[in-house]
Amino acid sequence: ETGVTQSPTHLIKTRGQQVTLRCSSQSGHNTVSWYQQALGQGPQFIFQYYREEENGRGNFPPRFSGLQFPNYSSELNVNALELDDSALYLCASSQQRGTEAFFGQGTRLTVV
Amino acid sequence: AQKVTQAQTEISVVEKEDVTLDCVYETRDTTYYLFWYKQPPSGELVFLIRRNSFDEQNEISGRYSWNFQKSTSSFNFTITASQVVDSAVYFCALPNSGNTPLVFGKGTRLSVIA
Repeated sequence: ETGVTQSPTHLIKTRGQQVTLRCSSQSGHNTVSWYQQALGQGPQFIFQYYREEENGRGNFPPRFSGLQFPNYSSELNVNALELDDSALYLCASSQQRGTEAFFGQGTRLTVV
Repeated sequence: AQKVTQAQTEISVVEKEDVTLDCVYETRDTTYYLFWYKQPPSGELVFLIRRNSFDEQNEISGRYSWNFQKSTSSFNFTITASQVVDSAVYFCALPNSGNTPLVFGKGTRLSVIA
C-alpha cells in the first residue's frame, strides 16, 4: 500500500505567476484535502474533494482552485501568486469523510 | 466554530524526562473526534491517534498516552521517557463539523535534548 505522495517537494515562483501542485492519494482513499501551512502556524484547510467533486472549502480566494481525477489523485492550482502564498502545502487523503487523514510530505512553495 | 488551543508554543526537555502537551478545544457538536499529529522536520504530518468523544478512557500506546477529559474539553498527550527522536511539532485537531476536514491548533514544538 503506497502512501500519499506530493510533487514537487520544493518550488520557487515569481509573484504573479501560476503554480500547480500534485498529490497522489493513498491506495483505496477517495477523499483528498489540501492545507496551507505558514511558518510557525498550524495547517489551514483550503478545500476538499470527494469522488471528483469539491465538497468543502476554507477561507481562501478563488485563485486557489483544484481538481480530483478518476484515480483520486488531485491538483492544487494557485493563480496570480502573492508573496503571502509562500508556505508548505499539504495534501491529505482518507478512506471516507470523517476518518483519519494521512498526509503527504508537502510541497514547500516560495514566492519571490 | 470549532477551535483548538495549544497554549504551549515550545517545550524543551532532557532525554528520558516525561512531557505532557496540552490541548483544549471548543465545539458545539455533541459527538466529535479528536486527533493528534506529529510533524518532524521533514514536514510530513504523521497521524498518532483518533479519539471518539464517546470514549473517555485513557489510551496508551508504548511511550505515548492520551488523557481525554470531556468535562474540561481537554485532550492532553504525554510522552514517557522522551527520546531525541520525539523532537517535532505536535498538533491537536478536530473536524470542523461532522465529517469535514480538520481544524488544527498552532502546535507545540518539542525539543528533546540528549
